[in-house]
Amino acid sequence: SQQGEEDPQALSIQEGENATMNCSYKTSINNLQWYRQNSGRGLVHLILIRSNEREKHSGRLRVTLDTSKKSSSLLITASRAADTASYFCATASNDYKLSFGAGTTVTVRA
Amino acid sequence: KAGVTQTPRYLIKTRGQQVTLSCSPISGHRSVSWYQQTPGQGLQFLFEYFSETQRNKGNFPGRFSGRQFSNSRSEMNVSTLELGDSALYLCASSLDSPSNYGYTFGSGTRLTVV
Repeated sequence: SQQGEEDPQALSIQEGENATMNCSYKTSINNLQWYRQNSGRGLVHLILIRSNEREKHSGRLRVTLDTSKKSSSLLITASRAADTASYFCATASNDYKLSFGAGTTVTVRA
Repeated sequence: KAGVTQTPRYLIKTRGQQVTLSCSPISGHRSVSWYQQTPGQGLQFLFEYFSETQRNKGNFPGRFSGRQFSNSRSEMNVSTLELGDSALYLCASSLDSPSNYGYTFGSGTRLTVV
């Protein structure tokens, strides 16, 4: 079963615009992680935010976490064609695994 | 340093056959996990190994099994293949626990069962 659910399922934006996607989850977590997947290849780890953190930045990425609402958001600023990919949130608890959401497919148009 | 290596990249098998997939983690990573990815079910956790011990297992039938060797390399085996086993199988390694450090994924093995 999937812990995280992303919204929207798909997103199409113009190059240079910002892209925002959200993730909701159901149970308490240690941390929440975001991954990117290009065209059915392996996933790439983007950022990890711990349950006691509210916001984290990495380059053009900004992640927020609201544990009271059990939700997280990923913002990609000044998008590029290379950002076209599927983005997954994954929640981590104390059970040696990550539970992934269904993903948001982002298409950046030139 | 080398990434996570999965072999083979592509595989076509017939229903009823068995298959073994291999994964070599990043050097120094002792945790290896396996996931099945399909369009309908998304990423489903299969199992996680650390120092040759399985620490967690997902909800898959007993036809799915795995193991880890003393050098941290891992294999997963699927016996009596079914059409529904067609999927991208992803291996991921982590320093200790994926809960703490996150994963580095391999490129996957695309299994097609005909």
